[in-house]
Amino acid sequence: QKEVEQNSGPLSVPEGAIASLNCTYSDRGSQSFFWYRQYSGKSPELIMSIYSNGDKEDGRFTAQLNKASQYVSLLIRDSQPSDSATYLCAGTGGGNKLTFGTGTQLKVEL
Amino acid sequence: EAGVAQSPRYKIIEKRQSVAFWCNPISGHATLYWYQQILGQGPKLLIQFQNNGVVDDSQLPKDRFSAERLKGVDSTLKIQPAKLEDSAVYLCASSLGVYAEAFFGQGTRLTVV
Repeated sequence: QKEVEQNSGPLSVPEGAIASLNCTYSDRGSQSFFWYRQYSGKSPELIMSIYSNGDKEDGRFTAQLNKASQYVSLLIRDSQPSDSATYLCAGTGGGNKLTFGTGTQLKVEL
Repeated sequence: EAGVAQSPRYKIIEKRQSVAFWCNPISGHATLYWYQQILGQGPKLLIQFQNNGVVDDSQLPKDRFSAERLKGVDSTLKIQPAKLEDSAVYLCASSLGVYAEAFFGQGTRLTVV
């Protein structure tokens, strides 16, 4: 079982819609979780971090963490074509190592 | 504040040759990571340092890969000898601590021919 799992997509949403990206993790000892955005040919860019259960909002982005169910999600409101990228979920587990999922490709269509 | 610096940006080598990558983390960041990212996949952790010590290197192919972090600052990752399957982007990242946000450098794209 992979430590961090994501649906590879692609996930297609129309411009202006809400994009919902999901991630599950296997290590119950995981303490911190992150969402990164990666454009083709570029390195990952941090967009959200979340450490406790519940929601965390930053502009058009909302991260949600549910430790009991071991999932993390990212909502992108009012999706724009510039949001088209691969979104990587990452978590720091009990071994203190930062592990990434395979990423979900998001396409925002005009 | 300066970001994570990596060099070189691109490298092409023949199989069985050796190559080294360099990383300078953000000032004050104690944790440094090296990832390998193959096209279409997520970053794979090769080695994670906390200051001078190794937190995890379970996925580092130790028969050909080596890494060091001198004085708890700069780090180098070496491959000797390289194989065709080592063609990938090598990403360095750093963070204040093991649970803190990690920031990436621009990466080194390695092509082994």
